[in-house]
Amino acid sequence: EDKVVQSPLSLVVHEGDTVTLNCSYEVTNFRSLLWYKQEKKAPTFLFMLTSSGIEKKSGRLSSILDKKELFSILNITATQTGDSAIYLCAVVRQTGANNLFFGTGTRLTVIP
Amino acid sequence: GAGVSQSPSNKVTEKGKDVELRCDPISGHTALYWYRQSLGQGLEFLIYFQGNSAPDKSGLPSDRFSAERTGGSVSTLTIQRTQQEDSAVYLCASSSGRGDTQYFGPGTRLTVL
Repeated sequence: EDKVVQSPLSLVVHEGDTVTLNCSYEVTNFRSLLWYKQEKKAPTFLFMLTSSGIEKKSGRLSSILDKKELFSILNITATQTGDSAIYLCAVVRQTGANNLFFGTGTRLTVIP
Repeated sequence: GAGVSQSPSNKVTEKGKDVELRCDPISGHTALYWYRQSLGQGLEFLIYFQGNSAPDKSGLPSDRFSAERTGGSVSTLTIQRTQQEDSAVYLCASSSGRGDTQYFGPGTRLTVL
């Protein structure tokens, strides 16, 4: 059975800390892995990863995929209170609808 | 519009009533997806449209759920005879093609009393 597992489930840090969020997956016919940030209702797109070892970076956020070990990490440096959100990892399969198959997310809380 | 829009943003209904949720995707996006997020649970895939056709309805939880898409644009998700377990946030996403990055709307929070 396909699965996407995120860890930790929740995390509380102080402003300025660096955090690493983990996503491991077991899916058939892997196509890509995506990270989203969900603050209220709408998940907002962060990264799409399809190739191993190539870091994607956007400001203080970066992410990398390891297709051999079947995991991805999302790093946030110099965290700010505005980074508080649920971070969702999702996998897209080659077959079928190409729908996103989500993990349950990591709830990050950044305190001043 | 610039992004995916959904309406209503909130809907409160009584058990047994029918509800319609609307999604207006990003202009030009051919693929449209419906997901559901129940309290304390992850996002769950419901249905996918490519153009006006729905080749994958496997995620619909029961035959009370149906969806249609017209003109390759707006989609409506209908839930008949709502039950309390239908209470959730219903999210719509669109992408320029199958397998491309999906962009989400703000969702509709459905509460069934």
